[in-house]
Amino acid sequence: DAGVTQSPTHLIKTRGQHVTLRCSPISGHKSVSWYQQVLGQGPQFIFQYYEKEERGRGNFPDRFSARQFPNYSSELNVNALLLGDSALYLCASSRMTSGIAGGRGEQYFGPGTRLTVT
Amino acid sequence: RKEVEQDPGPFNVPEGATVAFNCTYSNSASQSFFWYRQDCRKEPKLLMSVYSSGNEDGRFTAQLNRASQYISLLIRDSKLSDSATYLCVVNLYTGTASKLTFGTGTRLQVTL
Repeated sequence: DAGVTQSPTHLIKTRGQHVTLRCSPISGHKSVSWYQQVLGQGPQFIFQYYEKEERGRGNFPDRFSARQFPNYSSELNVNALLLGDSALYLCASSRMTSGIAGGRGEQYFGPGTRLTVT
Repeated sequence: RKEVEQDPGPFNVPEGATVAFNCTYSNSASQSFFWYRQDCRKEPKLLMSVYSSGNEDGRFTAQLNRASQYISLLIRDSKLSDSATYLCVVNLYTGTASKLTFGTGTRLQVTL
């Protein structure tokens, strides 16, 4: 089975521009989460989507937005790019969100999109 | 205080050595716990879940102490291929979302 796929692999943008990153989850997984990882740090939670609805948001500005499509793929959009947005953007897929009826919350990561803002 | 704290290392150990990583977390409402492995410039890969009863997967043993909010990972008989960054991860279910919180990672370098 195919794992999580992300596109593009690498991207170079200039300050003020807008970027769209794409993610396709593992087949059968309905939840997609987005993380930002800057060099030397662990990934930071940005969003989680389940069944096309935003279920959670991390501490990121409104310049960051996302959506999930009926086929469970997802897009992350970042407006008005800043130099500090340079990072590896990771998409993670899971069957569902965890909880009483859910699993333990294991998430499986795609290879990421490396964004450089100049 | 960081939500998940790990010693960043690096841990430099010879092949065949046993090495232990520790991690503490601050939110007592956290519900599930994991170790992920991340190779340089690659994505994190799930290594193993961590259970209160302790669990083992080959050369890897993970332990959770909920009372102390402490998680550990033991690697026995280290291999060169174990060289990577090991991320301690805590899952908090908010009622609608599963939020994974990562430590900064502990770097392991296994040498000949």
